Amino acid sequence: KQEVTQIPAALSVPEGENLVLNCSFTDSAIYNLQWFRQDPGKGLTSLLLIQSSQREQTSGRLNASLDKSSGRSTLYIAASQPGDSATYLCAVRPIRETSGSRLTFGEGTQLTVNP
Amino acid sequence: SQTIHQWPATLVQPVGSPLSLECTVEGTSNPNLYWYRQAAGRGLQLLFYSVGIGQISSEVPQNLSASRPQDRQFILSSKKLLLSDSGFYLCAWRSTVAGGYTFGSGTRLTVV
Repeated sequence: KQEVTQIPAALSVPEGENLVLNCSFTDSAIYNLQWFRQDPGKGLTSLLLIQSSQREQTSGRLNASLDKSSGRSTLYIAASQPGDSATYLCAVRPIRETSGSRLTFGEGTQLTVNP
Repeated sequence: SQTIHQWPATLVQPVGSPLSLECTVEGTSNPNLYWYRQAAGRGLQLLFYSVGIGQISSEVPQNLSASRPQDRQFILSSKKLLLSDSGFYLCAWRSTVAGGYTFGSGTRLTVV
C-alpha cells in the first residue's frame, strides 16, 4: 500500500526566503507525482505535475524535483511571498491502472510567509 | 480549455435530510471523475470514482452514493444525512493526456 509523507507539517518563514517542502513515498511504481496548493476553505490548485520519467518541472518561482528510485520529491519555492501562504499537498498516481488510478495524498505542509 | 464546476459552495443541512451535490466538466470527453472528502484537519479520502457513464466504484462503504447520468456529470447523493457526513467535498477529473488531476472548488457541507 502506497504511503505518502510530507515534512514538515508546518513551516513559518519571513518574506523573501527560499524554502523547500519535502514529500516521500513508499512505492516507487508511480505514473506521476503532482503538487497542489490549497487555500483555507478552497479547492486544490494544481501547481506542478512530474511524470515518472522526468526529474523536475518548473513554473515561475516553483521548482519540483522527483527522485523515483529513492521515493522523494521536493518543492522549491524561491523568494517566498505572503501570498504563498497555503497548505501544499503532494499526491502520487500509481502505474497500475486499478481503482481508477487512485491518487494517494500526503497530509500536507502548512506554509506561512510573514511580511 | 477544460473547466470543472462544482456546486453549491456551502450547504447546511439537518440530520436525516437528503443531499445532492453536482459536478460537471467542460472541454473534455469521457473523463475519469472522482469524489473526495476532506474532514477537518484530515487528509483527502476518495469516496467514489467513475470511468464512464453509469460506471461507479465505491471506495468506502458509507451513507453516500454517486451517479453519472451523463458523460461529464457526476452527482453525489444521500437519502438521509448523518452528522458524520459533514466535511469538504471535492470533485476531480483526470486528464487522459498528461494524466494530471484537476479539482473543483469544493462544497462545504455542515450537517446540523
